[in-house]
Amino acid sequence: AQSVTQLDSHVSVSEGTPVLLRCNYSSSYSPSLFWYVQHPNKGLQLLLKYTSAATLVKGINGFEAEFKKSETSFHLTKPSAHMSDAAEYFCVVSDRRLTGGGNKLTFGTGTQLKVEL
Amino acid sequence: GAVVSQHPSWVICKSGTSVKIECRSLDFQATTMFWYRQFPKQSLMLMATSNEGSKATYEQGVEKDKFLINHASLTLSTLTVTSAHPEDSSFYICSAETGARAFFGQGTRLTVV
Repeated sequence: AQSVTQLDSHVSVSEGTPVLLRCNYSSSYSPSLFWYVQHPNKGLQLLLKYTSAATLVKGINGFEAEFKKSETSFHLTKPSAHMSDAAEYFCVVSDRRLTGGGNKLTFGTGTQLKVEL
Repeated sequence: GAVVSQHPSWVICKSGTSVKIECRSLDFQATTMFWYRQFPKQSLMLMATSNEGSKATYEQGVEKDKFLINHASLTLSTLTVTSAHPEDSSFYICSAETGARAFFGQGTRLTVV
């Protein structure tokens, strides 16, 4: 069984300050982990993914996340928030043990990021 | 929170047959629903955006005649995979929007044999 917990449903930061969106996961096997962003009226966009290579993963738009197995966490960070970062962010876990026919994805409940001037 | 129900959760079908997947928003009305597909070991790919009462908007490279999307009501969108082939085997997931938030179905694993 696998699960994802996004600890904050809403996060508000000032423009230019760091962003931290928290994600903890549970998986019976070595997982793949993803962060997606969704802006209103648009589909999901992949920010970054972890699939067992380097534990610090760099993504698009200056975002990065660190896979910490001991803490079962995959928090998303960005050094300096921009107004365009305001959106909803989803942490997703996939069981890499499964092959063929698609791996089951489990989504977190999402975190709304608000960026203020 | 809002609930999106996707059915079936898994299905096996023979090559050449069609399969319908339903996505329902159970406690809210969704004017926009999205359909995604995941290829093994890869992240999600947006297939199409489904708008209630109008034709779906397909992403580039997605065959609209093969993946039929119907969004006849504010709580139901369906994806029909027509004349399925083994390469259509994948994990399909829908999401529904309300306000500025998106909620996801539990996904459908399709295996075509």
